[in-house]
Amino acid sequence: ETGVTQTPRHLVMGMTNKKSLKCEQHLGHNAMYWYKQSAKKPLELMFVYNFKEQTENNSVPSRFSPECPNSSHLFLHLHTLQPEDSALYLCASSQSSRETDTQYFGPGTRLTVL
Amino acid sequence: SQKIEQNSEALNIQEGKTATLTCNYTNYSPAYLQWYRQDPGRGPVFLLLIRENEKEKRKERLKVTFDTTLKQSLFHITASQPADSATYLCALGGNAGNMLTFGGGTRLMVKP
Repeated sequence: ETGVTQTPRHLVMGMTNKKSLKCEQHLGHNAMYWYKQSAKKPLELMFVYNFKEQTENNSVPSRFSPECPNSSHLFLHLHTLQPEDSALYLCASSQSSRETDTQYFGPGTRLTVL
Repeated sequence: SQKIEQNSEALNIQEGKTATLTCNYTNYSPAYLQWYRQDPGRGPVFLLLIRENEKEKRKERLKVTFDTTLKQSLFHITASQPADSATYLCALGGNAGNMLTFGGGTRLMVKP
């Protein structure tokens, strides 16, 4: 799992806290993604970055704010979250092409909002 | 709206048997379909990709079929082992740039 790393692995925060999730990919890919995975629900795509440019914001509330300073790093800034935001947050990367897109996932950050 | 259905109930099989998982989709014309494996508390891991013009793909003990008429993919694990126990996700792609749409996954339990 050294291809895509995520920190922290576990995070507990109150609704008034501000925290950030970090993702780093060592695969030389040009696209990065944030997904939310809640219990018994499919993976929900949140944000997509291609060549550091955000190309998709899947109607995500503004309390989630992504940042992609370069093609290897991706952050998800969190503020004033709600308990229903508790979930596993997964980062992924891919070498985007017109033909196929295989995504490589990090181990995820288990977020609990109290 | 696009919909991907995987059996949400766990599939329990005996070691050595063939496991077959199903992925059905509606309102979608994917250019390709992928299968991923996810262990508890971990990120999904890519297993196989099959394109719309391919009927079948194999990799070691894994076999995937893709029927675009039935809008269905089957994922087979032959000679299953307890280590194959995990959740398996199908994902469809090719219609919206580099974005994948995932199914909810099916949990497979292989008993010794």
